[in-house]
Amino acid sequence: AQSVTQLDSQVPVFEEAPVELRCNYSSSVSVYLFWYVQYPNQGLQLLLKYLSGSTLVKGINGFEAEFNKSQTSFHLRKPSVHISDTAEYFCAVYLSGGYNKLIFGAGTRLAVHP
Amino acid sequence: DGGITQSPKYLFRKEGQNVTLSCEQNLNHDAMYWYRQDPGQGLRLIYYSQIVNDFQKGDIAEGYSVSREKKESFPLTVTSAQKNPTAFYLCASKEGNFNYGYTFGSGTRLTVV
Repeated sequence: AQSVTQLDSQVPVFEEAPVELRCNYSSSVSVYLFWYVQYPNQGLQLLLKYLSGSTLVKGINGFEAEFNKSQTSFHLRKPSVHISDTAEYFCAVYLSGGYNKLIFGAGTRLAVHP
Repeated sequence: DGGITQSPKYLFRKEGQNVTLSCEQNLNHDAMYWYRQDPGQGLRLIYYSQIVNDFQKGDIAEGYSVSREKKESFPLTVTSAQKNPTAFYLCASKEGNFNYGYTFGSGTRLTVV
């Protein structure tokens, strides 16, 4: 079965500290990986995506993620967070090979404190 | 600017009533999707449509219905058969080329009392 696991439901962090939001997936078919951000009562905005090529992907707002095929992980990182980064973050996996579906993790709530 | 419009943003209904949520896109995207979001559960796929006049059930289709009569529109009806309809509903669309990911609307928060 295909699934996406976000290992932390909540991550509290102080402003200007580094942060890592963890994501693992399981799939028997080729996958393409995404991170989305959601601010309160809004839709999802694409942060970054991995399709192929370099395993280190840079996105908007200073975020980056690294695809690790052997560990089936796609962790999101930022070296220095701001108060404005407080939001819900979703890891998602797009299944190819006839499935054609985007599967989401349960989300990680990032709370940045002053 | 192109995008997805969901309306209304907030919706209140009495238990037992059907309600239809609107989703319109002007991105010329072929595929459209409806997701339900509940706290701590991420997004769950309700229905999706790859082309006009065709749609498929997602993981939690029971109690919902959709139509796709026009490329731009993919309305979702929450029927009285849906046991727990109170949730945040998100509509999304995708170009034929998946490289661009999904584009999401701003959501409709449905509260059934």
